[in-house]
Amino acid sequence: AQSVTQLDSHVSVSEGTPVLLRCNYSSSYSPSLFWYVQHPNKGLQLLLKYTSAATLVKGINGFEAEFKKSETSFHLTKPSAHMSDAAEYFCVVTLQPTSYDKVIFGPGTSLSVIP
Amino acid sequence: GAGVSQSPSNKVTEKGKDVELRCDPISGHTALYWYRQSLGQGLEFLIYFQGNSAPDKSGLPSDRFSAERTGGSVSTLTIQRTQQEDSAVYLCASSLTSDNEQFFGPGTRLTVL
Repeated sequence: AQSVTQLDSHVSVSEGTPVLLRCNYSSSYSPSLFWYVQHPNKGLQLLLKYTSAATLVKGINGFEAEFKKSETSFHLTKPSAHMSDAAEYFCVVTLQPTSYDKVIFGPGTSLSVIP
Repeated sequence: GAGVSQSPSNKVTEKGKDVELRCDPISGHTALYWYRQSLGQGLEFLIYFQGNSAPDKSGLPSDRFSAERTGGSVSTLTIQRTQQEDSAVYLCASSLTSDNEQFFGPGTRLTVL
């Protein structure tokens, strides 16, 4: 069965320290991988996307993610957290089990940034 | 250019009534998705359209929920005989193809009294 796991439901970091949000997927197929962010009372926005080009993907706002096929992981990182990074982050996998792509959202990780 | 729009932005209804939620995707986007987000929860996938057909309806929670898409554009999500547990924000997203970035609408906040 295909699934997306975000290992931490909540992560809290101090401003200026690194951020690591973990995502693992389970699939027999080659996936496309995305990270979306949802700020409080705002819509969902794409952070970055991996589609079998470079394994290290750079996104907006200083975020990046590395696809590791051997670990079936796509963890999101940022070297230095900013207060404005406080939001909900969703890891998303697009699979191709049949003639259409199936999109699976992870359960989300809530990021808090402490001043 | 215009993004994904949804109407109404807010809907308050009484238990047992039917509601219709509308989504206008970005022009030219073939893929359209409906999700539900309950308070403090993640996104719950409801249904996916490719053009006018729905190859994946696996997320619809019950037969009270249905959706259609006409002309490869506008989609409506209908909830019949609403229940209090249907209260949530219903999000619509569209993408150029299903393997591309999804653009989300602002959502419809449904409250069932």
